[in-house]
Amino acid sequence: EAGVVQSPRYKIIEKKQPVAFWCNPISGHNTLYWYLQNLGQGPELLIRYENEEAVDDSQLPKDRFSAERLKGVDSTLKIQPAELGDSAVYLCASSSWTEGNTIYFGEGSWLTVV
Amino acid sequence: GIQVEQSPPDLILQEGANSTLRCNFSDSVNNLQWFHQNPWGQLINLFYIPSGTKQNGRLSATTVATERYSLLYISSSQTTDSGVYFCAVGGGSGNTGKLIFGQGTTLQVKP
Repeated sequence: EAGVVQSPRYKIIEKKQPVAFWCNPISGHNTLYWYLQNLGQGPELLIRYENEEAVDDSQLPKDRFSAERLKGVDSTLKIQPAELGDSAVYLCASSSWTEGNTIYFGEGSWLTVV
Repeated sequence: GIQVEQSPPDLILQEGANSTLRCNFSDSVNNLQWFHQNPWGQLINLFYIPSGTKQNGRLSATTVATERYSLLYISSSQTTDSGVYFCAVGGGSGNTGKLIFGQGTTLQVKP
């Protein structure tokens, strides 16, 4: 069974440019998460979806970040415009209540803003 | 919000040694998970353990929810155990169900 798939794995952009990350969760997982991980720190939640509904986006900087989960499957996280401080790893994860809400992470999208 | 503290922050072991990692949390939880982040950045789920004890090979974990801590035991450590171990908790009062991660314990196992 395929795990959580993210793309791109690595992205280098200039500040003020837009960037988008894509995530395909594990098949059948109704909950999808986007986490941000800075170097040397633990992941921090940006947004959590239950199916297609964003149920927790309190940590998402809505002035420049946006996310969507069309049809309750794949999800896209966008940053526009990117700032130097956005350089980090963006992690997508998914879970299902049928598996005790065990969370499975993708490999992450490493963003460098120059 | 709920606070998560992990100790020790760093740990260096010789191959074959045993170790115990600790996770303290500040509120009642109904979700606690341990993860291993390998040197390439991949986060692997080790245990879903809001209470009780589980074992998986050389790894085991115990959560004492009433005393608000969890322990991860690594026995006969191997170099492949190196990386960062994270504890993440959820379900405390006022928590919307998201997982809060600790700062991690960085483990280095030397051959």
